[in-house]
Amino acid sequence: GQNIDQPTEMTATEGAIVQINCTYQTSGFNGLFWYQQHAGEAPTFLSYNVLDGLEEKGRFSSFLSRSKGYSYLLLKELQMKDSASYLCAVRGEDSNYQLIWGAGTKLIIKP
Amino acid sequence: DSGVTQTPKHLITATGQRVTLRCSPRSGDLSVYWYQQSLDQGLQFLIQYYNGEERAKGNILERFSAQQFPDLHSELNLSSLELGDSALYFCASSAGTGGTSYEQYFGPGTRLTVT
Repeated sequence: GQNIDQPTEMTATEGAIVQINCTYQTSGFNGLFWYQQHAGEAPTFLSYNVLDGLEEKGRFSSFLSRSKGYSYLLLKELQMKDSASYLCAVRGEDSNYQLIWGAGTKLIIKP
Repeated sequence: DSGVTQTPKHLITATGQRVTLRCSPRSGDLSVYWYQQSLDQGLQFLIQYYNGEERAKGNILERFSAQQFPDLHSELNLSSLELGDSALYFCASSAGTGGTSYEQYFGPGTRLTVT
């Protein structure tokens, strides 16, 4: 079967760094996406990894290891507005560009 | 603003009724996806259309149906509504041709409340 695992909830302090992990088992692999979703709002695209390594975008970075079926999203200099759910999604070998979604990690930022 | 529009934003209806949700994808995007998200739950993929044709089905109930029209907008029809159908319904679009990542862009969602 196809499966994506993420922690259900994490708590971090404003100004700190947090790492959200995602492990996946899918039929084939054609890229991994991270999305941010504030409560009651639409998911917004954060990052895309298809090759091994680290992709950096400002305060957010995403890492991929295809051999380990593992990714993480690193958030630096946390701000209160970063309180949201973070969704990991994988495109498998399907040619229709469907994504397989994790259940999301709810990140709570405390002052 | 993702460029994906959905109407209506909110919908309140009674059990047993039928509703239609509408989505217009980003300009140039050929793929449309429908998702259901119940309170504090993950995204559940319902169905995908590409350039007017159904491409993939997820956990879509038989009471639900969708279509994509020649102008590429899409409609999701929900019938014989039950209390458990209350949820946020998102539409997303992606290019599906050319490009590299084909990330999905989400509309603001339609919040359906069944009473």
